[in-house]
Amino acid sequence: GAVVSQHPSRVICKSGTSVKIECRSLDFQATTMFWYRQFPKQSLMLMATSNEGSKATYEQGVEKDKFLINHASLTLSTLTVTSAHPEDSSFYICSAPGRENQPQHFGDGTRLSIL
Amino acid sequence: GIQVEQSPPDLILQEGANSTLRCNFSDSVNNLQWFHQNPWGQLINLFYIPSGTKQNGRLSATTVATERYSLLYISSSQTTDSGVYFCAVGGGGTSYGKLTFGQGTILTVHP
Repeated sequence: GAVVSQHPSRVICKSGTSVKIECRSLDFQATTMFWYRQFPKQSLMLMATSNEGSKATYEQGVEKDKFLINHASLTLSTLTVTSAHPEDSSFYICSAPGRENQPQHFGDGTRLSIL
Repeated sequence: GIQVEQSPPDLILQEGANSTLRCNFSDSVNNLQWFHQNPWGQLINLFYIPSGTKQNGRLSATTVATERYSLLYISSSQTTDSGVYFCAVGGGGTSYGKLTFGQGTILTVHP
């Protein structure tokens, strides 16, 4: 079964709305989680690293004020797309690392469409 | 950062054919995973294979870490194998857990 749960799976909303996406690790604690973005017909790109108990670290070119990340507990990270615009429409997916020498576990992703 | 190149970018097969997908990477890694992304976007983990060879049914993978490449073999392909295949690699230390994805191989299997 799934080890990382991501919700919602699909969001359609108007421009200017803020959207929150949740990523939960099931049955294990994750002090670090990762958020990726995938535009249509492109690969996945790492956006940021979510750190429990400290600030998130963002990859170059990702707006910190646009994409707010909160690692609220050892099993929950949230990504909030603030004042979303059509260009923020994308597929967002989170991951959590397993134990050392174990694979990364991915959520099922969230398809965000901003009208 | 680590560069990841996948080939071929597109592959069209007839059902029953075999295929090999390749992933080259530019630096030493301590994580390499092969994924199949289904039409709904879900990433299905096929193999965690930073080195060595693994097999799972009709699929197998080999990573030669010293030469910085990995191969994914699909035998007796089926229409349900269609989709995008990604190779993703990660380093250690402060980069632990971060994955860099290749551009993917789009596989189409015709009946």
